[in-house]
Amino acid sequence: EEQLLESGGGLVHPGGSLRLTCKGTGFNFGAYSINWVRQAPGKGLEWLSYVSGSGATIYYADSVKGRFTISRDNAYNSVFLQMDSLRPDDSALYFCARYWSGYYYIDLWGQGTSVTVSS
Amino acid sequence: SYDVTQPPSVSVPLGQTATITCGGDNIEKRNVHWYQQKPGQIPVLVIFRDSKRPSGIPDRFSGSNSANTATLTITRAQAGDEADYYCHVWDRTSAVFGGGTQLTVL
Repeated sequence: EEQLLESGGGLVHPGGSLRLTCKGTGFNFGAYSINWVRQAPGKGLEWLSYVSGSGATIYYADSVKGRFTISRDNAYNSVFLQMDSLRPDDSALYFCARYWSGYYYIDLWGQGTSVTVSS
Repeated sequence: SYDVTQPPSVSVPLGQTATITCGGDNIEKRNVHWYQQKPGQIPVLVIFRDSKRPSGIPDRFSGSNSANTATLTITRAQAGDEADYYCHVWDRTSAVFGGGTQLTVL
């Protein structure tokens, strides 16, 4: 079964850092681009970042550019999101999500990992 | 950056047809995808590339895209269709989701 599993969420103080991990199983992980998407409580979906299958192409939303860094290690079937300078409004459920090749739609979502930024 | 706009809520009588719109400048030139998210669950793809249905999605769900509006249509609406629906577009170097539309089946 194809799956994505996020980990690394938790409670962090404002200004702090967290590193989220997304591990894929059951498919050729390196063949797919991966995104991070978040959802604040009671709010909609917000796209954050994209990394291509090889890791060579990376994009960020303006809201996280300069604070978040996406990377991947296909040897470990994993994508990472390093989150620095966290703010209370970064509190959300963070999903990793797989793009179907070529058409940029999400065909596989993880269950999400919760991040709370609070003093 | 590219923006898309959805109505916050749509109501439909049981068994009738619901239409949820996603507006954007010349959106017809882009591939629009739609996700359904029920409370406490992860999103599920219901329409991709404007009008294509993934396997397992009932044919009551359909999509179209013309001019400045993409539309998700749900015919013979059921109580189980109550959910938030999000449109999604890729804009060269970024993705954008609509704000979501809460569908209520009356």
